[in-house]
This record gives sequence, C-alpha cells and structure tokens, in this order.
Amino acid sequence: DAGVIQSPRHEVTEMGQEVTLRCKPISGHDYLFWYRQTMMRGLELLIYFNNNVPIDDSGMPEDRFSAKMPNASFSTLKIQPSEPRDSAVYFCASSLTGNLETQYFGPGTRLLVL
Amino acid sequence: QKEVEQNSGPLSVPEGAIASLNCTYSDRVSQSFFWYRQYSGKSPELIMSIYSNGDKEDGRFTAQLNKASQYVSLLIRDSQPSDSATYLCAVGTSYDKVIFGPGTSLSVIP
Repeated sequence: DAGVIQSPRHEVTEMGQEVTLRCKPISGHDYLFWYRQTMMRGLELLIYFNNNVPIDDSGMPEDRFSAKMPNASFSTLKIQPSEPRDSAVYFCASSLTGNLETQYFGPGTRLLVL
Repeated sequence: QKEVEQNSGPLSVPEGAIASLNCTYSDRVSQSFFWYRQYSGKSPELIMSIYSNGDKEDGRFTAQLNKASQYVSLLIRDSQPSDSATYLCAVGTSYDKVIFGPGTSLSVIP
C-alpha cells in the first residue's frame, strides 16, 4: 500500500485566497483525521471522520475552515479565505479503529500564506 | 496550565547514553498514552503506547507510566545519532480527545 497520500506537498498562497488540501487514506481504513502543526500550538486535531461522516469538528478553528469526505478514498480540507496565521503543516492520517495505535500519518502539506 | 507538558529542549546526550524524555498531563482520568518520534520535515510516527502503570519495554525504548503522579516518560537506551528527532507525547483524555504535547527535541552527539 502507498500509505496516506496528501497533495499538494507544498502550497504558497496570498492572503484571501482559497486553499484546498487533499488526502487519500489507506484503503480499508474507516477513520480519517486532519491535524495542523505549528511551532506555537504544536500538533492539533482539527476534525475526524468515521465512515465518511464527520464525528468531531471541535478542533476546526473557525468558519473559514471546512472539511469534506465525499467517499472512502478522498477528503479535502478547505480554507476560505486564507490568512497568514493559517500557515502551518497540515497532516492527514487514517486508521482502522480510530485508536492511535492503528493510525498512520501522511507526509503533510506545508502551507504558507503570505 | 497546559493539558500536556514536556520538558523543554533541546536535550543533548552523547552516543551510547540513556536519553530521558518526560511528559506530564493534567487530566487525572486519562487512560492512554503514546510517544511519537518526528524527524525534521517528516510526519510523526508512533513508537510506544502504554495504558497501565509501570514500565513497558520495546527494544531500546522503555515507556514508564505513573498515573498517580500524572507522569509518563520515555527512556532511550544506547542512544544513537539516528534517534535525533523531536519526541511528542500524546494523551488520551477522559473526554475522548487526544492531546499532544509540544515535543522535546533530542540530539544525540556522536
């Protein structure tokens, strides 16, 4: 298996633009997680899905952020409009059971908002 | 008080020494504890999990948990330069959240 796939790997955009991050989980994994990592706040869970349904989005910072999972093999995290404080590395992870022991992280998307 | 705290780095140890990484947490009812290793520019990878008080050993790694003191640690024996990374502590809280600590940077000097 190729593991969790994220695209793009790097994104540079200007403040106010829409940004869409993409994730393909490991086949057969029913859980998908979106994380954000910054120097100031560390690694934070933004939202997670089980069987394509959002279960907990309490970590989503504000209405500018939205996440979807239209099918078992694809998810997006959208930021609209983007702001410089959104600059971070965004990780997608998937797991079989929802437990961290079976969770695998993707390589991350490094986002820079100018 | 932050929910999960780790000793501030960077931590430097000579090759072959024992590296000791510490983590404290605030939710007294937390039940699950994890250690991740993250190389610079890479994603976190799980190296240890522990659920019960005491020690859990896996190769050169030993996780230690003391729930009464709300303390979990990771010992790395015979440290190697390849162990140089940031180590993240993660705690599964009683309110069904996993909280990550800020990480401790470890440098193993050849």
